[in-house]
Amino acid sequence: QVQLQESGPGLVKPSETLSLTCSVSGGSISNYYWCWIRQPPGKGLEWIGYVYYRGTTNYNPSLQSRVTMSVDTSKNQFSLMLSSVTAADTAVYYCARRRTGPEAFDYWGQGTLVTVS
Amino acid sequence: AIQMTQSPSSLSASVGDRVTITCRASQGIRNDLGWYQQKPGKAPKLLIYAASRLQSGVPSRFSGSGSGTDFTLTISSLQPEDFATYYCLQDYSYPLTFGGGTRVEIK
Repeated sequence: QVQLQESGPGLVKPSETLSLTCSVSGGSISNYYWCWIRQPPGKGLEWIGYVYYRGTTNYNPSLQSRVTMSVDTSKNQFSLMLSSVTAADTAVYYCARRRTGPEAFDYWGQGTLVTVS
Repeated sequence: AIQMTQSPSSLSASVGDRVTITCRASQGIRNDLGWYQQKPGKAPKLLIYAASRLQSGVPSRFSGSGSGTDFTLTISSLQPEDFATYYCLQDYSYPLTFGGGTRVEIK
């Protein structure tokens, strides 16, 4: 059974960089798209972007100037960096696997709350 | 970006009721739509993909339909464990976009 687990600081200061890692177990990171999705407290879901196992990326234009995603296949991990954070970036951050043919987010991490303060 | 409009934003229903949630895309998205269920404090869970295909392990009381711009999630007989928030997601083009959510509450 594939499992995803987010890790990283739960508190980040304004103007600093949020950094999270998602560790994948029970399956290979190869051949999938790996995504980050966030949810501000009490609000809906926002897709942040994906990193393909080969390293190609696609980001939400609303965050593109501040987002960097990367993948480490040797560790079965992928990462998110979000720079110049403000209180508006306070959210639960989820990592998720996006399968293709047809597409869907079939596995999710439990989510991690990141507070900017 | 494609906008996804879900309705209603919330509803109250009783166990055994038939529940229908709709999602409308701002442009045609073929059948590239998924439905996700989220319970408080938990990650979303995939219910339906490609508009009408039931994810493995999901009860058959859940069904999806639609193509183009209009989609529906139906719960044929609401069970206690179905009280949650439901989101649609368009998989047609980037950026991927979610609907605003429908909260299903106990009447």
